[in-house]
Amino acid sequence: AQTVTQSQPEMSVQEAETVTLSCTYDTSESNYYLFWYKQPPSRQMILVIRQEAYKQQNATENRFSVNFQKAAKSFSLKISDSQLGDTAMYFCAFMKGGSQGNLIFGKGTKLSVKP
Amino acid sequence: EAGVAQSPRYKIIEKRQSVAFWCNPISGHATLYWYQQILGQGPKLLIQFQNNGVVDDSQLPKDRFSAERLKGVDSTLKIQPAKLEDSAVYLCASSPSWTEQYFGPGTRLTVT
Repeated sequence: AQTVTQSQPEMSVQEAETVTLSCTYDTSESNYYLFWYKQPPSRQMILVIRQEAYKQQNATENRFSVNFQKAAKSFSLKISDSQLGDTAMYFCAFMKGGSQGNLIFGKGTKLSVKP
Repeated sequence: EAGVAQSPRYKIIEKRQSVAFWCNPISGHATLYWYQQILGQGPKLLIQFQNNGVVDDSQLPKDRFSAERLKGVDSTLKIQPAKLEDSAVYLCASSPSWTEQYFGPGTRLTVT
């Protein structure tokens, strides 16, 4: 069975600085996808970034980028130039290739951006 | 484009009562998911529909939970009878392809 571990329950960062959220996962699959979702207090989960396991290049979306270390089964999220609106819960998620969308989530990291 | 709609946003019931949640996915999305998110945890998949057929309900407590997706569009999730441990946020998501899921705002259920 696949598992996703987020070892940082809470983190804080000053506005405009950079922060990295950690995620590790365990799987025997070779074909899979990894995701970071953001959940603000409104509760709506928003996709931040997605990484296909077969791609060696790390995914980037504006201020958000990942460090995907396949051998180490590590998938960290870096947020650059942090903004107050980045304050939210961040969830790392795993999806087995061909699983038709069954996302397995970690427990989340609560990020607070301070002015 | 309208997002995934869910209602109600909040619900408080007593244990052993029944409750139903409604979800309207994004138009054209064939796949619909229901997740349960207990406080302090990530969401857990309860059931997945492809059009009006069930793809995966392996984690649905079938003795008390049921779900349907009539005509392959809207979906309802029902709990009967509710237990204290069912207190959670129930998230609905829809997907045009299985690597993109769009979530609704969720229903927060409190069972007292």
